[in-house]
Amino acid sequence: KNEVEQSPQNLTAQEGEFITINCSYSVGISALHWLQQHPGGGIVSLFMLSSGKKKHGRLIATINIQEKHSSLHITASHPRDSAVYICAGNPGDSNYQLIWGAGTKLIIKP
Amino acid sequence: DSGVTQTPKHLITATGQRVTLRCSPRSGDLSVYWYQQSLDQGLQFLIQYYNGEERAKGNILERFSAQQFPDLHSELNLSSLELGDSALYFCASSVVPSLNSGYNEQFFGPGTRLTVL
Repeated sequence: KNEVEQSPQNLTAQEGEFITINCSYSVGISALHWLQQHPGGGIVSLFMLSSGKKKHGRLIATINIQEKHSSLHITASHPRDSAVYICAGNPGDSNYQLIWGAGTKLIIKP
Repeated sequence: DSGVTQTPKHLITATGQRVTLRCSPRSGDLSVYWYQQSLDQGLQFLIQYYNGEERAKGNILERFSAQQFPDLHSELNLSSLELGDSALYFCASSVVPSLNSGYNEQFFGPGTRLTVL
């Protein structure tokens, strides 16, 4: 069992739908990182959060440290949102490595 | 633009050869990470440097080596290349946080696509 698990692995939706991607972790972390990898390969940092909620445009990330769960939401989804979304946990100790989820492949159809 | 640069963008070479990938971190970032991403696979952590010193090693083959120079740029050397080394190689950088601060946001370069024929 991976220490950071994402669901679903694959998600196909119609343009305009509200999207939710989940990330659960079994290890103690002090912060969680959401990243987006475009079909061309580029990786973009979306959010780094340790509590509550963050919003940027149509993207919203939430985290519940006690429940060891984070969600990434996309409102009014658009085909350009099609990408792989990756969550990674930061244990916050002297080991600065992130613990990576396997990614969720999102396809938004027009 | 993350501020992290990688060169070259694409590299095509033959089995048995040696290549060097280069990464310049964001201004002010002391830590550099190297990742390998094979086709349709997740990111595999290879190695981390902090201010010129190796900090952590992941799944890095003995045929691979890296270093970080005094100006903080880093190079990843891949030798005796095999077909299976074909992948996207990403470099990321971060400001190493103080202990237990909980933040280690990594900023990724555009990647180098290596094709071994």
